[in-house]
Amino acid sequence: SQTIHQWPATLVQPVGSPLSLECTVEGTSNPNLYWYRQAAGRGLQLLFYSVGIGQISSEVPQNLSASRPQDRQFILSSKKLLLSDSGFYLCAWSGQGVHEQFFGPGTRLTVL
Amino acid sequence: GEDVEQSLFLSVREGDSSVINCTYTDSSSTYLYWYKQEPGAGLQLLTYIFSNMDMKQDQRLTVLLNKKDKHLSLRIADTQTGDSAIYFCAETASGGSYIPTFGRGTSLIVHP
Repeated sequence: SQTIHQWPATLVQPVGSPLSLECTVEGTSNPNLYWYRQAAGRGLQLLFYSVGIGQISSEVPQNLSASRPQDRQFILSSKKLLLSDSGFYLCAWSGQGVHEQFFGPGTRLTVL
Repeated sequence: GEDVEQSLFLSVREGDSSVINCTYTDSSSTYLYWYKQEPGAGLQLLTYIFSNMDMKQDQRLTVLLNKKDKHLSLRIADTQTGDSAIYFCAETASGGSYIPTFGRGTSLIVHP
């Protein structure tokens, strides 16, 4: 069966520090991968998605970037965090041509 | 652009039925979803309905779709305290990318 992992689960970082969040999927090949941010009291905002290795689509201009160095690995990064980057970051995957998305457990990021 | 609207809160008594409502604007919606998010966790896909259906039942869950009015509802029968969570409505439009648009979520509070 397929599983999706995210780490770390919780992160507290100072303003201006770098960021690296990791997401990996097991039990499937060539998944579509997604990064979402959930700010307090708000819905989900799609940040990036990827349909294959090295292929990244950005949905909103921001302080963050994404990379997909391996088929089942998706990384969310920042060179310098802002206070407004605080939130709950969710990774999700879906099969190619399949409509259901499945979510990881999330990373709670607090920027102080 | 697409928009998905939900009321933010619903409070019910344990044992009663809960009905969570959602409206959407995209007339080309293909699939409509209900996700559940428990505190501090990722989103769990509860159920989905294809746009050419008007009802889907799965144990205690009943999804109703009124395509003419672009209205989706989730009914939870015999609501339990374990059903307390945030419920997200989402839709994907035809076109193949299957990237969902999410509502802001309805926080369901079940009290004894």
